[in-house]
Amino acid sequence: RKEVEQDPGPFNVPEGATVAFNCTYSNSASQSFFWYRQDCRKEPKLLMSVYSSGNEDGRFTAQLNRASQYISLLIRDSKLSDSATYLCVVNIKGRVTGRRALTFGSGTRLQVQP
Amino acid sequence: DTGVSQNPRHKITKRGQNVTFRCDPISEHNRLYWYRQTLGQGPEFLTYFQNEAQLEKSRLLSDRFSAERPKGSFSTLEIQRTEQGDSAMYLCASSLVGLDSPLHFGNGTRLTVT
Repeated sequence: RKEVEQDPGPFNVPEGATVAFNCTYSNSASQSFFWYRQDCRKEPKLLMSVYSSGNEDGRFTAQLNRASQYISLLIRDSKLSDSATYLCVVNIKGRVTGRRALTFGSGTRLQVQP
Repeated sequence: DTGVSQNPRHKITKRGQNVTFRCDPISEHNRLYWYRQTLGQGPEFLTYFQNEAQLEKSRLLSDRFSAERPKGSFSTLEIQRTEQGDSAMYLCASSLVGLDSPLHFGNGTRLTVT
């Protein structure tokens, strides 16, 4: 089982739609969670951190469910410019020294259509 | 400071050759990470440093891979006796120390092994 798992998609949605992605993680002791956005042939860029109480940034809402070990990202009123791959990031205990390192999921591709 | 800088942007090499990549992090960032990304996958953790100390590395990192950060500033990633399977985008990122400190990525070095 992968340490951080995401549905690869693609999610094809019309403009204005609401879309949600989930990401599950294997390490119950993980403490840091993020969503990154990656455009084609570009480097990943931070979209938002995910806090225990949930947090919102404009049209984007992130939530954490520790009991079920998943985080979610909700995008409201989708824009064409939201088309990208969304990467879930969790700090996972490393297997060599046991120190934590930020581990990425394989990403969920979103395509917003006109 | 213009962000994380990686050199070269592209590297084409023949199988069996050694290659070295350089990363210059954001100046005030203590942590420096190396990731590898192939098409359709999320960034795969390779190793990270806090200042000059290499704190964790992936078990996937074979003996042919070595990374250094001798003065706690820039870092180099060397791949010896390259194989075709090493072809990928090599991403460097830096961050401050802290659980909620996000990663800031460079543009990456694209390696092609022929």
